[in-house]
Amino acid sequence: EDQVTQSPEALRLQEGESSSLNCSYTVSGLRGLFWYRQDPGKGPEFLFTLYSAGEEKEKERLKATLTKKESFLHITAPKPEDSATYLCAVPTDSWGKLQFGAGTQVVVTP
Amino acid sequence: DAGVTQSPTHLIKTRGQHVTLRCSPISGHKSVSWYQQVLGQGPQFIFQYYEKEERGRGNFPDRFSARQFPNYSSELNVNALLLGDSALYLCASSPFESAGGNQPQHFGDGTRLSIL
Repeated sequence: EDQVTQSPEALRLQEGESSSLNCSYTVSGLRGLFWYRQDPGKGPEFLFTLYSAGEEKEKERLKATLTKKESFLHITAPKPEDSATYLCAVPTDSWGKLQFGAGTQVVVTP
Repeated sequence: DAGVTQSPTHLIKTRGQHVTLRCSPISGHKSVSWYQQVLGQGPQFIFQYYEKEERGRGNFPDRFSARQFPNYSSELNVNALLLGDSALYLCASSPFESAGGNQPQHFGDGTRLSIL
């Protein structure tokens, strides 16, 4: 059965305190892994797609990496505006049906 | 360019009623998917449509139905509403340029449905 698990559930950081979020997945035939950011009351905002083990993508203070079993989202020197819930998702069929993890809620305090 | 737009943004219904939610995809996107998100969880897949055909259905009862129109917009219908249907309903679109499922989906801000 396809499964996506994210850890930790919640993360509280001081501004400038770097950390990593984990997304482990079990899916037959990886078609890619997506990271999204979700602010309260909003829909998920697309951040990155990773397609193969060893791939890395960066955007401002965020860097996503992928291995054969998991992905990491590194937040370097976070700012309060990085506070959000970060979701990872994998397509589970050729039509793109997404299986999401439960998300990691990140709070960055000044 | 406009993103995915959903209407209404908020809706309050009572048990047993019917609801219709609407979604307009990003211009040029032919695939539309619907997800349900309850508080504290990730979105759960309900339906996917491409070229007006249903291409996928999640583990939801037959009270849930959807359709896609020739202009690629979509409606999600839920009959006989239950308290447990209270959630954020998200619509996502993707260009779906080729089979493979590996193009990112772009989400609207959802419809917040509350059942009293």
